[in-house]
Amino acid sequence: DGGITQSPKYLFRKEGQNVTLSCEQNLNHDAMYWYRQDPGQGLRLIYYSQIVNDFQKGDIAEGYSVSREKKESFPLTVTSAQKNPTAFYLCASSWGMNTEAFFGQGTRLTVV
Amino acid sequence: GQNIDQPTEMTATEGAIVQINCTYQTSGFNGLFWYQQHAGEAPTFLSYNVLDGLEEKGRFSSFLSRSKGYSYLLLKELQMKDSASYLCAVREDSNYQLIWGAGTKLIIKP
Repeated sequence: DGGITQSPKYLFRKEGQNVTLSCEQNLNHDAMYWYRQDPGQGLRLIYYSQIVNDFQKGDIAEGYSVSREKKESFPLTVTSAQKNPTAFYLCASSWGMNTEAFFGQGTRLTVV
Repeated sequence: GQNIDQPTEMTATEGAIVQINCTYQTSGFNGLFWYQQHAGEAPTFLSYNVLDGLEEKGRFSSFLSRSKGYSYLLLKELQMKDSASYLCAVREDSNYQLIWGAGTKLIIKP
């Protein structure tokens, strides 16, 4: 089955620790994205990548980092510099920036 | 500024019709998307409009008026499984990034 997989579904971390969220796709999509979803707000773009070994900051990149070493993978690291990391994180991919995006199931991160 | 407005919550009855509105003010426009999202799950693509008019896809239809900065999603023959949030997103033409509304939570009652 083709699709986009995020893991884990739920993640708990202590304050001050870095944590990495996984995102893998086997759709052969060039573009990948990370969004953050908070209650009562629209999705906000953290980082995006149009092609392997290249990525760009989105609207709320501070406190986050990404890598795109392989076409299939786009992991997101939430660093201790992120002031309010507890949120629902969604990874998505698309053929290009001008086509519809397919989303993973999301990772709910709780920092205690 | 950039802004997308949708009602926060709507309630409708099973078997009925509901219209979810979306108004937008963006610096550019290169298409409008509607996604469905069940609680705690991934958004799934419903429709895409880039030209004015109505796009029909089964029980769901989406309308766009670029001059008014307005779109709606029309859901017919409502089913309990249609209870979900419906997200409106506008693609800007400058960088192809999507600007998202906060979503409309649709509650279907028997």
